[in-house]
Amino acid sequence: AQSVAQPEDQVNVAEGNPLTVKCTYSVSGNPYLFWYVQYPNRGLQFLLKYITGDNLVKGSYGFEAEFNKSQTSFHLKKPSALVSDSALYFCAVRRGQAGTALIFGKGTTLSVSS
Amino acid sequence: GAVVSQHPSWVICKSGTSVKIECRSLDFQATTMFWYRQFPKQSLMLMATSNEGSKATYEQGVEKDKFLINHASLTLSTLTVTSAHPEDSSFYICSANDRTSDTYEQYFGPGTRLTVT
Repeated sequence: AQSVAQPEDQVNVAEGNPLTVKCTYSVSGNPYLFWYVQYPNRGLQFLLKYITGDNLVKGSYGFEAEFNKSQTSFHLKKPSALVSDSALYFCAVRRGQAGTALIFGKGTTLSVSS
Repeated sequence: GAVVSQHPSWVICKSGTSVKIECRSLDFQATTMFWYRQFPKQSLMLMATSNEGSKATYEQGVEKDKFLINHASLTLSTLTVTSAHPEDSSFYICSANDRTSDTYEQYFGPGTRLTVT
């Protein structure tokens, strides 16, 4: 079964510093991976996805993610964190073929201090 | 971009009553919609897959008689929580696939906060 793991419950970083939110995956077949962000009492906002192609995926709000097949990882990164980036981040993998549901990691709370 | 709406955004109901939550794709057609449930500071758990014109597919452990799903059109799916109890209090989020997208991009609604007293 497809799954993703987010090993960190919380990541703390100072504003202006680079940030990384970790995600590893376990899939059979080609992985279709996603990152979403959620602000309190809000729905999910799409950040980026990896379907195929370049291992470095650029997304919204300055975020990017690096797909690493050998390490089965898809870490989310940003060169310079903002206080407004503080939120709950979810890594997700598509369950199967196109049109199927997403399976989410447990989420990582990012806290950016000023 | 594609927008998914949910109504209501929050609802408080008494134990034993039923509550209906609507999920609409506003500017695209969705043959498939998904319903997720999220407890505070936890992940989203898939409850069911809603297919237009057919019965929903429920995940293991989800009571189909309690969580009634109807997907009557390409733009609307509804989730009815029947005989609600306090343990049903949660954040319910729907998502929809854009059937015209090659990668079947999935769009999420803003969620509905259900509180059962």
